Amino acid sequence: DQQVKQNSPSLSVQEGRISILNCDYTNSMFDYFLWYKKYPAEGPTFLISISSIKDKNEDGRFTVFLNKSAKHLSLHIVPSQPGDSAVYFCAASGVSDKLIFGTGTRLQVFP
Amino acid sequence: GAVVSQHPSWVICKSGTSVKIECRSLDFQATTMFWYRQFPKQSLMLMATSNEGSKATYEQGVEKDKFLINHASLTLSTLTVTSAHPEDSSFYICSARPGTSMGEQFFGPGTRLTVL
Repeated sequence: DQQVKQNSPSLSVQEGRISILNCDYTNSMFDYFLWYKKYPAEGPTFLISISSIKDKNEDGRFTVFLNKSAKHLSLHIVPSQPGDSAVYFCAASGVSDKLIFGTGTRLQVFP
Repeated sequence: GAVVSQHPSWVICKSGTSVKIECRSLDFQATTMFWYRQFPKQSLMLMATSNEGSKATYEQGVEKDKFLINHASLTLSTLTVTSAHPEDSSFYICSARPGTSMGEQFFGPGTRLTVL
Protein backbone atom coordinates (compact mmCIF):
# COMPACT_ATOMS: atom_id res chain seq x y z
CA ASP A 1 0.00 0.00 0.00
CA GLN A 2 1.68 3.17 -1.23
CA GLN A 3 0.90 5.82 1.38
CA VAL A 4 2.77 8.55 -0.45
CA LYS A 5 2.36 8.85 -4.18
CA GLN A 6 3.95 10.91 -6.88
CA ASN A 7 1.87 10.22 -9.93
CA SER A 8 4.13 11.92 -12.44
CA PRO A 9 7.28 9.88 -12.97
CA SER A 10 8.85 12.64 -15.03
CA LEU A 11 8.55 16.34 -15.79
CA SER A 12 10.28 18.46 -18.38
CA VAL A 13 10.46 22.25 -17.97
CA GLN A 14 12.20 25.02 -19.81
CA GLU A 15 14.85 27.00 -17.97
CA GLY A 16 13.40 30.07 -16.28
CA ARG A 17 9.89 28.68 -16.10
CA ILE A 18 8.15 27.25 -13.05
CA SER A 19 8.44 23.57 -12.12
CA ILE A 20 5.55 22.12 -10.14
CA LEU A 21 5.98 18.70 -8.58
CA ASN A 22 3.00 17.04 -6.96
CA CYS A 23 2.58 14.56 -4.16
CA ASP A 24 -0.49 12.88 -2.64
CA TYR A 25 -0.77 10.97 0.60
CA THR A 26 -3.42 8.76 2.15
CA ASN A 27 -2.55 8.68 5.84
CA SER A 28 -4.26 11.52 7.71
CA MET A 29 -1.90 10.96 10.65
CA PHE A 30 1.04 12.39 8.72
CA ASP A 31 1.93 15.78 10.16
CA TYR A 32 5.29 16.63 8.63
CA PHE A 33 6.23 16.65 4.98
CA LEU A 34 9.56 16.99 3.26
CA TRP A 35 11.02 17.27 -0.21
CA TYR A 36 14.34 15.73 -1.14
CA LYS A 37 16.45 16.01 -4.29
CA LYS A 38 18.45 13.03 -5.43
CA TYR A 39 21.09 12.41 -8.07
CA PRO A 40 21.89 8.87 -9.26
CA ALA A 41 24.14 6.88 -6.93
CA GLU A 42 23.96 9.57 -4.25
CA GLY A 43 21.96 10.01 -1.07
CA PRO A 44 18.96 12.37 -1.04
CA THR A 45 19.55 16.02 -0.19
CA PHE A 46 17.01 17.79 2.00
CA LEU A 47 15.34 20.72 0.25
CA ILE A 48 12.39 22.03 2.21
CA SER A 49 9.78 20.88 4.67
CA ILE A 50 6.39 21.88 5.99
CA SER A 51 4.46 21.14 9.13
CA SER A 52 0.78 20.32 8.97
CA ILE A 53 -0.04 23.50 10.89
CA LYS A 54 1.06 25.52 7.88
CA ASP A 55 -0.12 25.60 4.30
CA LYS A 56 2.92 27.22 2.74
CA ASN A 57 6.64 27.38 3.33
CA GLU A 58 9.09 29.26 1.17
CA ASP A 59 12.87 29.09 0.90
CA GLY A 60 14.44 31.00 -1.96
CA ARG A 61 13.34 29.51 -5.25
CA PHE A 62 11.54 26.66 -3.53
CA THR A 63 8.01 26.83 -2.13
CA VAL A 64 6.01 23.96 -0.73
CA PHE A 65 2.23 24.12 -0.51
CA LEU A 66 0.14 21.81 1.65
CA ASN A 67 -3.57 21.16 1.19
CA LYS A 68 -4.57 18.98 4.11
CA SER A 69 -8.17 18.53 3.08
CA ALA A 70 -7.04 17.15 -0.27
CA LYS A 71 -4.05 15.33 1.25
CA HIS A 72 -1.91 16.95 -1.38
CA LEU A 73 1.35 18.84 -1.40
CA SER A 74 3.34 20.43 -4.15
CA LEU A 75 6.81 21.80 -4.64
CA HIS A 76 7.23 24.89 -6.79
CA ILE A 77 10.62 25.79 -8.18
CA VAL A 78 10.87 29.19 -9.81
CA PRO A 79 12.78 30.05 -11.83
CA SER A 80 13.89 26.58 -12.82
CA GLN A 81 17.56 26.08 -13.60
CA PRO A 82 19.39 23.29 -15.43
CA GLY A 83 21.09 22.37 -12.14
CA ASP A 84 17.68 21.52 -10.73
CA SER A 85 17.53 18.47 -12.98
CA ALA A 86 17.33 15.48 -10.64
CA VAL A 87 14.83 13.10 -9.09
CA TYR A 88 12.62 14.70 -6.45
CA PHE A 89 11.09 12.68 -3.65
CA CYS A 90 8.40 13.82 -1.28
CA ALA A 91 8.30 12.18 2.13
CA ALA A 92 5.92 12.21 5.06
CA SER A 93 6.15 11.36 8.73
CA GLY A 94 3.75 11.04 11.63
CA VAL A 95 4.17 10.32 15.32
CA SER A 96 7.18 8.14 14.66
CA ASP A 97 10.42 9.35 13.14
CA LYS A 98 9.93 7.16 10.12
CA LEU A 99 9.85 8.79 6.71
CA ILE A 100 7.61 7.33 4.06
CA PHE A 101 8.86 8.24 0.61
CA GLY A 102 6.99 8.74 -2.60
CA THR A 103 8.06 7.08 -5.82
CA GLY A 104 9.89 10.12 -7.13
CA THR A 105 9.57 12.48 -10.08
CA ARG A 106 12.42 12.98 -12.49
CA LEU A 107 12.71 16.67 -13.35
CA GLN A 108 14.57 17.78 -16.42
CA VAL A 109 15.19 21.46 -16.99
CA PHE A 110 16.25 22.24 -20.53
CA PRO A 111 17.75 25.47 -21.88
CA GLY B 1 24.80 21.67 7.69
CA ALA B 2 24.49 18.17 9.09
CA VAL B 3 26.82 15.73 7.35
CA VAL B 4 26.42 11.97 7.22
CA SER B 5 29.05 9.69 5.73
CA GLN B 6 28.92 6.10 4.61
CA HIS B 7 31.69 3.61 4.05
CA PRO B 8 32.32 1.96 1.71
CA SER B 9 30.72 3.80 -1.18
CA TRP B 10 30.66 0.62 -3.20
CA VAL B 11 31.47 -3.01 -2.58
CA ILE B 12 31.52 -6.18 -4.65
CA CYS B 13 31.45 -9.50 -2.84
CA LYS B 14 30.95 -13.18 -3.50
CA SER B 15 27.71 -14.93 -2.68
CA GLY B 16 27.72 -16.28 0.86
CA THR B 17 30.03 -13.68 2.35
CA SER B 18 29.09 -10.92 4.78
CA VAL B 19 29.45 -7.22 4.17
CA LYS B 20 29.51 -4.42 6.74
CA ILE B 21 28.44 -0.87 5.90
CA GLU B 22 29.20 2.00 8.26
CA CYS B 23 27.14 5.15 8.72
CA ARG B 24 28.54 8.09 10.64
CA SER B 25 27.11 11.45 11.60
CA LEU B 26 30.14 13.73 11.36
CA ASP B 27 29.07 16.93 13.06
CA PHE B 28 26.13 15.99 15.23
CA GLN B 29 24.95 13.26 17.53
CA ALA B 30 22.14 11.01 16.46
CA THR B 31 20.31 8.74 18.86
CA THR B 32 18.37 7.42 15.91
CA MET B 33 19.61 6.44 12.49
CA PHE B 34 17.72 4.83 9.66
CA TRP B 35 18.66 2.34 6.97
CA TYR B 36 17.02 2.42 3.56
CA ARG B 37 17.30 0.36 0.43
CA GLN B 38 16.68 1.57 -3.07
CA PHE B 39 16.23 -0.58 -6.14
CA PRO B 40 16.82 0.97 -9.57
CA LYS B 41 14.21 3.55 -10.49
CA GLN B 42 12.24 2.88 -7.31
CA SER B 43 11.60 4.70 -4.10
CA LEU B 44 13.61 4.49 -0.91
CA MET B 45 12.27 1.75 1.31
CA LEU B 46 12.89 1.94 5.02
CA MET B 47 14.50 -1.25 6.27
CA ALA B 48 15.03 -0.52 9.94
CA THR B 49 15.38 2.12 12.60
CA SER B 50 18.64 1.98 14.50
CA ASN B 51 18.53 3.15 18.10
CA GLU B 52 21.68 3.88 20.09
CA GLY B 53 22.05 1.46 22.94
CA SER B 54 19.10 -0.71 22.05
CA LYS B 55 17.91 -3.15 19.44
CA ALA B 56 16.97 -1.99 16.00
CA THR B 57 13.37 -1.90 14.90
CA TYR B 58 12.84 -3.68 11.61
CA GLU B 59 10.14 -3.00 9.06
CA GLN B 60 7.78 -5.73 8.05
CA GLY B 61 9.36 -8.16 5.65
CA VAL B 62 12.97 -7.31 6.54
CA GLU B 63 14.90 -10.25 7.96
CA LYS B 64 16.63 -9.10 11.13
CA ASP B 65 18.98 -12.10 11.12
CA LYS B 66 20.13 -11.26 7.62
CA PHE B 67 20.50 -7.50 8.06
CA LEU B 68 22.27 -7.00 11.37
CA ILE B 69 22.25 -3.48 12.73
CA ASN B 70 24.45 -2.18 15.50
CA HIS B 71 24.22 1.38 16.80
CA ALA B 72 27.46 1.43 18.75
CA SER B 73 27.59 5.12 19.58
CA LEU B 74 25.76 8.38 19.03
CA THR B 75 27.64 8.88 15.77
CA LEU B 76 27.96 5.38 14.32
CA SER B 77 25.56 2.75 13.07
CA THR B 78 26.55 -0.33 11.08
CA LEU B 79 24.55 -2.57 8.77
CA THR B 80 25.91 -6.05 8.14
CA VAL B 81 24.45 -8.03 5.27
CA THR B 82 25.07 -11.63 6.28
CA SER B 83 25.43 -14.50 3.81
CA ALA B 84 24.82 -12.15 0.93
CA HIS B 85 23.07 -13.35 -2.20
CA PRO B 86 22.71 -11.71 -5.62
CA GLU B 87 19.19 -10.56 -4.76
CA ASP B 88 20.71 -8.46 -1.95
CA SER B 89 22.46 -6.34 -4.56
CA SER B 90 21.09 -2.86 -4.12
CA PHE B 91 21.83 0.71 -3.09
CA TYR B 92 21.83 1.05 0.69
CA ILE B 93 21.42 4.48 2.23
CA CYS B 94 21.54 5.55 5.86
CA SER B 95 20.17 8.69 7.43
CA ALA B 96 20.35 10.40 10.78
CA ARG B 97 18.21 12.98 12.49
CA PRO B 98 19.86 15.63 14.66
CA GLY B 99 18.18 16.02 17.98
CA THR B 100 17.47 19.67 17.28
CA SER B 101 15.82 19.15 13.90
CA MET B 102 12.08 19.37 13.36
CA GLY B 103 12.00 16.03 11.65
CA GLU B 104 14.21 16.18 8.61
CA GLN B 105 16.68 13.40 8.20
CA PHE B 106 20.09 13.89 6.65
CA PHE B 107 21.26 11.17 4.33
CA GLY B 108 24.57 9.56 3.65
CA PRO B 109 25.85 9.22 0.09
CA GLY B 110 24.81 5.58 -0.13
CA THR B 111 26.61 2.27 -0.66
CA ARG B 112 26.27 0.26 -3.83
CA LEU B 113 26.41 -3.45 -3.02
CA THR B 114 26.91 -5.98 -5.80
CA VAL B 115 26.83 -9.65 -4.89
CA LEU B 116 28.26 -11.98 -7.51
